[in-house]
Amino acid sequence: EIVLTQSPGTLSLSPGERATLSCRASQSVSSTSLAWYQQKPGQAPRLLIYGASSRATGIPDTFSGSGSGTDFTLTISRLEPEDFAVYYCQQYGSSPWTFGQGTKVEIK
Amino acid sequence: EVQLVESGGGLVQPGGSLRLSCSASGFAFSSYWMHWVRQAPGKGLVWVSRINSDGSSSTYADSVKGRFTISRDNAKNTLFLQMNSLRAEDTAVYYCTRDVANWGQGTLVTVSS
Repeated sequence: EIVLTQSPGTLSLSPGERATLSCRASQSVSSTSLAWYQQKPGQAPRLLIYGASSRATGIPDTFSGSGSGTDFTLTISRLEPEDFAVYYCQQYGSSPWTFGQGTKVEIK
Repeated sequence: EVQLVESGGGLVQPGGSLRLSCSASGFAFSSYWMHWVRQAPGKGLVWVSRINSDGSSSTYADSVKGRFTISRDNAKNTLFLQMNSLRAEDTAVYYCTRDVANWGQGTLVTVSS
């Protein structure tokens, strides 16, 4: 199975700052099959990005995804107070689906 | 609007059984593969199982193989997860998902004596 490794584990930033989250795969992932989620306590994951770079419905353009092969990035251009949460990457092109371990974006 | 509503979670003793349900609406349920994903308290997301659209094929994570069974009733637009021989490490919120964009709200399973 494809192992996804996210870094850093925790990102401490202030509102208005830029966040850059990394997701590295143990083998090549189809760029059409890489997703990013946001999760807040007590809530289900919320899809942000699919196909590595396509924003899901209703997701603001402060969120962007990039990358291909084994290296993918989620960028939040300006952190809003509601963006402080845990973020997961997922590959869904190969069975089984696999997820990264998560990056927590916390208020500095 | 796609809706997925899980039910059936609760407290169960180690070695016990539980059956989760996921009621689907807003889409042609019988046309889609479905998945279960779980999340232990304070931990990340882990894929558990998937079933194809007509229920003839299923796969499982190694951690649940032989203990869990995924099934579906396309006439009732419902997905199931039968969980037997439950262990403390099965304690988690269980989500049903259609695809990356459509998840239920989850149901909590607690395995404890």
